[in-house]
Amino acid sequence: DAGVIQSPRHEVTEMGQEVTLRCKPISGHNSLFWYRQTMMRGLELLIYFNNNVPIDDSGMPEDRFSAKMPNASFSTLKIQPSEPRDSAVYFCASSLGDYTGELFFGEGSRLTVL
Amino acid sequence: AQKVTQAQTEISVVEKEDVTLDCVYETRDTTYYLFWYKQPPSGELVFLIRRNSFDEQNEISGRYSWNFQKSTSSFNFTITASQVVDSAVYFCALSEASGSARQLTFGSGTQLTVLP
Repeated sequence: DAGVIQSPRHEVTEMGQEVTLRCKPISGHNSLFWYRQTMMRGLELLIYFNNNVPIDDSGMPEDRFSAKMPNASFSTLKIQPSEPRDSAVYFCASSLGDYTGELFFGEGSRLTVL
Repeated sequence: AQKVTQAQTEISVVEKEDVTLDCVYETRDTTYYLFWYKQPPSGELVFLIRRNSFDEQNEISGRYSWNFQKSTSSFNFTITASQVVDSAVYFCALSEASGSARQLTFGSGTQLTVLP
């Protein structure tokens, strides 16, 4: 069975450019999470969707970040405009329900903003 | 507020040695869940185990075992007879109340290197 699929795996861009990260969750999972991982701050939850609806976006750093989930099989995380401090690995994870804590992670998108 | 501390930043062992990864947590809730995740070099985090606060029985799964002690607020992870493939970053995590995945607080991780 296919796991969580993220694209791109690596992205290098210049400050000010728009970045779009994509995620396809595991089929049948109804919860989707976007995490950011940095050396300084570790793993941070950015936003959480349940049944395609954003439930908790309190972790989104600022207005430059936005996330959408137009359907059960696709989500995007967009940064516009990007800044060097956004450099990190962005993970998408999905789960069946919200309550088990068993998340299935993608391999991450490593973003470098120059 | 919940907090997870993994004091060991990096551990290096030689293959076949046993190794224990420490995890200390803080929570005010009486109902909570503890987790371990593994992050191999490929990058994705892999779920290993979930324990609830009412079950202090130790868990064993093959070469992996977990020791949960509420008295010391610890949930330690031991790998017996370590192998090179065990090399990874290991994260301990905590969630309160219903064990909601959105409430997961991760520790800073322990980088385990198993040398041949």
